[in-house]
Amino acid sequence: GEDVEQSLFLSVREGDSSVINCTYTDSSSTYLYWYKQEPGAGLQLLTYIFSNMDMKQDQRLTVLLNKKDKHLSLRIADTQTGDSAIYFCAESLDSNYQLIWGAGTKLIIKP
Amino acid sequence: EAGVVQSPRYKIIEKKQPVAFWCNPISGHNTLYWYLQNLGQGPELLIRYENEEAVDDSQLPKDRFSAERLKGVDSTLKIQPAELGDSAVYLCASSLGGSGRKPYNEQFFGPGTRLTVL
Repeated sequence: GEDVEQSLFLSVREGDSSVINCTYTDSSSTYLYWYKQEPGAGLQLLTYIFSNMDMKQDQRLTVLLNKKDKHLSLRIADTQTGDSAIYFCAESLDSNYQLIWGAGTKLIIKP
Repeated sequence: EAGVVQSPRYKIIEKKQPVAFWCNPISGHNTLYWYLQNLGQGPELLIRYENEEAVDDSQLPKDRFSAERLKGVDSTLKIQPAELGDSAVYLCASSLGGSGRKPYNEQFFGPGTRLTVL
């Protein structure tokens, strides 16, 4: 069945780059997403990538997609304390309504 | 623009009691989702509505869980009776559907209701 896996924690120093990784299993995924969840708040779409792309850049965020290895990554440049959150990777199946979610990676920022 | 509203934010009940959660989606969003989120895990879909129709309720434990979305706007999720294992955060999300749907599925989430069953 479908499965999305992420590391549970990532610790980086303020100002460094953060790279959060995700692997998925369904080769028919159409879109892959990164959502951010801050304490006490709902999940918020951070960025997404269409499955026929291999890179997408949006200000401090860079998404890399390796379809052959079914590997997705999110790079946050110049990590700030406000980036502290849980980051969820999700893949959508053909219908594009059903999302399969990873368990989330908690990003911890060290001063 | 107001976001997805959920109430209550927190609920503590004893096992075997009933409980209900309410969700008001973003205006104009035809698709509404209820998710369950356990600590340290991602959201798990319970039910998806297109307007007032439940189009995917395959993961909803129908022996104790029920949901409704009268008039295709607000929705209520109910558990009766609640069990200890139901302690979790219940998330509501909405997205555009039909002709207004973007090619990618951006879901907008409420803050969730944290349920504790004692």
